[in-house]
Amino acid sequence: DTAVSQTPKYLVTQMGNDKSIKCEQNLGHDTMYWYKQDSKKFLKIMFSYNNKELIINETVPNRFSPKSPDKAHLNLHINSLELGDSAVYFCASSQDPGSTEAFFGQGTRLTVV
Amino acid sequence: GQQLNQSPQSMFIQEGEDVSMNCTSSSIFNTWLWYKQDPGEGPVLLIALYKAGELTSNGRLTAQFGITRKDSFLNISASIPSDVGIYFCAGQRLSGTYKYIFGTGTRLKVLA
Repeated sequence: DTAVSQTPKYLVTQMGNDKSIKCEQNLGHDTMYWYKQDSKKFLKIMFSYNNKELIINETVPNRFSPKSPDKAHLNLHINSLELGDSAVYFCASSQDPGSTEAFFGQGTRLTVV
Repeated sequence: GQQLNQSPQSMFIQEGEDVSMNCTSSSIFNTWLWYKQDPGEGPVLLIALYKAGELTSNGRLTAQFGITRKDSFLNISASIPSDVGIYFCAGQRLSGTYKYIFGTGTRLKVLA
């Protein structure tokens, strides 16, 4: 069983489209995250939810909207996609916000053309 | 946003060699972490460090929490081909939002 699973693994779409990435964790963790990894492999946190409540919201365009229907799921919706949104997006989870270890999904490679 | 600087950015080494990399910050962290990312995968935690001066091992990997709390070091002994990947340090403050700040990564390639 995959602990943190994201879908889709690859996503190619045109500029201006709206797309969603889904994430689910079966670890029973309270906290989930979205990270963006750019072409230089820099990893930056975008959002964090704890028990469905938003606790971290970095400087991210408001075209990005996370949604947590329950604490096992954290989805990322992106409106009006731009070329610069192309990156690998990682979902992660941890037991709680102060936990040392975060478990990452396999990533979603988003390519905007 | 803040990033941690890792050195070297990339390295090619021969199988069997030892590897050293480091991570530096302009500010203090309470916890230092080292992750490895294999191609096409998400990062996986290797070692966590909680106290200044702490030295922790995980198999062939040894990491140290710098005395100043502004740096950390990772050593890999007797490297093997499966050590290839990107190694990230991450710092965490035990206050505020607890978020991790990731380093810029060290890309390791091992020549058999």
